[in-house]
Amino acid sequence: AQKVTQAQTEISVVEKEDVTLDCVYETRDTTYYLFWYKQPPSGELVFLIRRNSFDEQNEISGRYSWNFQKSTSSFNFTITASQVVDSAVYFCALSEDAGGFKTIFGAGTRLFVKA
Amino acid sequence: DTAVSQTPKYLVTQMGNDKSIKCEQNLGHDTMYWYKQDSKKFLKIMFSYNNKELIINETVPNRFSPKSPDKAHLNLHINSLELGDSAVYFCASSQDVWDASTGELFFGEGSRLTVL
Repeated sequence: AQKVTQAQTEISVVEKEDVTLDCVYETRDTTYYLFWYKQPPSGELVFLIRRNSFDEQNEISGRYSWNFQKSTSSFNFTITASQVVDSAVYFCALSEDAGGFKTIFGAGTRLFVKA
Repeated sequence: DTAVSQTPKYLVTQMGNDKSIKCEQNLGHDTMYWYKQDSKKFLKIMFSYNNKELIINETVPNRFSPKSPDKAHLNLHINSLELGDSAVYFCASSQDVWDASTGELFFGEGSRLTVL
């Protein structure tokens, strides 16, 4: 069965600090897809990234970077030089089958960035 | 032009009532979903439909009945509302051929249901 664990319930940092959000997943499939979504205080859910199980390359997009390690079943998300606008709930998600009929989400990590 | 739109945005009703939430997507996607987000922000999949056919029903009570008249619409009807049904309900859509897309879910803005 698939499972996503985000052990950090809340993280509070001061602006310009770097912060890493942890995500550990469980799956029996050899092919799967991992995602991160952002939910700002306004409530909408915003897609950030998708990573395929066969592509372990790390990715950087501006201040955001993702570290995918199959050996530890982790897909961690780092925000460099955090800003107040980064304050949101961040969800890690997993889908085992192509087509995404069932994407399951972790419990989310609420990030507070203080000025 | 909103990609995934759901109505109403807010719904306040009494226990025992029946209510519906509508969802429409104009992205040409084949797959649509309903997710429930509780007060602790936990997001749980309820249903997924592919080309109007039910693919996944995550042990949701029979009081919840989704209906997909066409692949652009997925409505959610809830009978005999209970206090525990209070939540934000998100509609979402995605393409089902992932080679052609990022595989992301496109979410509506959510419908906040409050049962008194």
